[in-house]
Order: sequence, then C-alpha cells, then structure tokens
Amino acid sequence: QLVLTQSPSASASLGASVKLTCTLSSGHSNYAIAWHQQQPEKGPRYLMKVNTDGSHNKGDGIPDRFSGSSSGAERYLTISSLQYEDEADYYCQTWGAGIVVFGGGTQVTVL
Amino acid sequence: EVQLVASGGGLVQPGRSLRLSCAVSGFSFDDHAMHWVRQAPGKGLEWVSGITWSSGSTGYADSVEGRFTISRDNAKKSLYLQMNSLRVEDTALYYCARGDAATTMGALDSWGQGTLVAVSP
Repeated sequence: QLVLTQSPSASASLGASVKLTCTLSSGHSNYAIAWHQQQPEKGPRYLMKVNTDGSHNKGDGIPDRFSGSSSGAERYLTISSLQYEDEADYYCQTWGAGIVVFGGGTQVTVL
Repeated sequence: EVQLVASGGGLVQPGRSLRLSCAVSGFSFDDHAMHWVRQAPGKGLEWVSGITWSSGSTGYADSVEGRFTISRDNAKKSLYLQMNSLRVEDTALYYCARGDAATTMGALDSWGQGTLVAVSP
C-alpha cells in the first residue's frame, strides 16, 4: 500500500534552516513526490516535485531558499533562511495508477 | 495566468446530492489530468478523485468510491464532481487541482480556491 509518512511538527529559529522528511512506504522507494505549502487560513500552494535522483522542479515564484532532495525512500524539503511567512503546514504527495496519496502534513513553527 | 475556480458547494442534508464544478483558464486543459482534494475542518489534505485528460482513467478514494463521480468537459474547460449519498463526514472544503501530466495522476501543480460543502441534518 502506497503511504507517505511525515513528522507532525518541526520548528526552527528565524533565519535558520529546517529540513522536512517524507518517507515512502516499503516497495515504493522509486516514486517521485511533490511538496505543498499551506499557510494559515489559505489554500495549498505547490512548491516543487522531487524525483528519485534528488532533482527537483519548483513551481512558479517559489523562492530559492526552498530546495528538495532525496535519499532512498526519503524525500526532503529544506527551507533555508527561515522567514515568519514560512510558518505553515507542509504536505508531501505522490501518485500511482489511479491513485494520489498525501502525507499527514508537518506543521512548521518559526521561533 | 493559471486559474481554477471551484463552485457549487453549499449546505445539504445527509443522503442528498450536490454537484461541484471547476472552471479553468490560462492553460491547455486537455494537456492535464485533474483532481478534487478536500480538507475537513482542522484536518489534513485528502485526495478525493482524479481523471486523466481524455477521461480514460479515473480514480477515487475508498471513502467516496461508489458515491462520487468525477467527469470533465474539455470543450468547456471544466471539471465536475457529482456527489451522491452525502454523509456528515463529507463536510469539507473541496479544492480542484491540476495534475502536471495528461495520462497519469501526477504531481498536483496548481490549486483552486476551494468550495465549502457542509452536510448536516
């Protein structure tokens, strides 16, 4: 079964970096994923797609301080130079034949 | 500019039906799969259904299989979700979203603003 696992929360200080992890279920380590940001009281926004080799394709207007990477069954989103506006929920998403799956989301707090 | 505008939400009683629509502009609609995603109050994102460009393949979450039907009209650049036998647990903000590929479900690379569905006795 295709499942994405995320830690419920993460925090870091203003100006620091935070690295979020999304783990693919067993047997699905070759799947690409996408990252989405949802700021409080707003709709989701597509950030980027992260491929198995760690290459990533960002959406329009996504700042350079957002980057993606990959290792085995784990896909990462790193936010550098953390800003207060980055305080949000971050969801990873993947897909298979006739199905789309979201992770449970990670709430990022900027200290 | 890519735009996805969802409409058709409202307050309905359990067991009744509702049809959501999503009108798109700013991109070639038939080059993309399309999706419905919902978010219950205080909860995370839940994929509801997706459809490939030609309607040749559709998919549904287990929670809505057999009750909801996704469709699209490429000439009208519109996506639809027919929701039957609605339940209280279907209460959520429903988003339409664009897939980044035509023939697979893909990454959801653009989102609409959402339409609220409330199911209550």
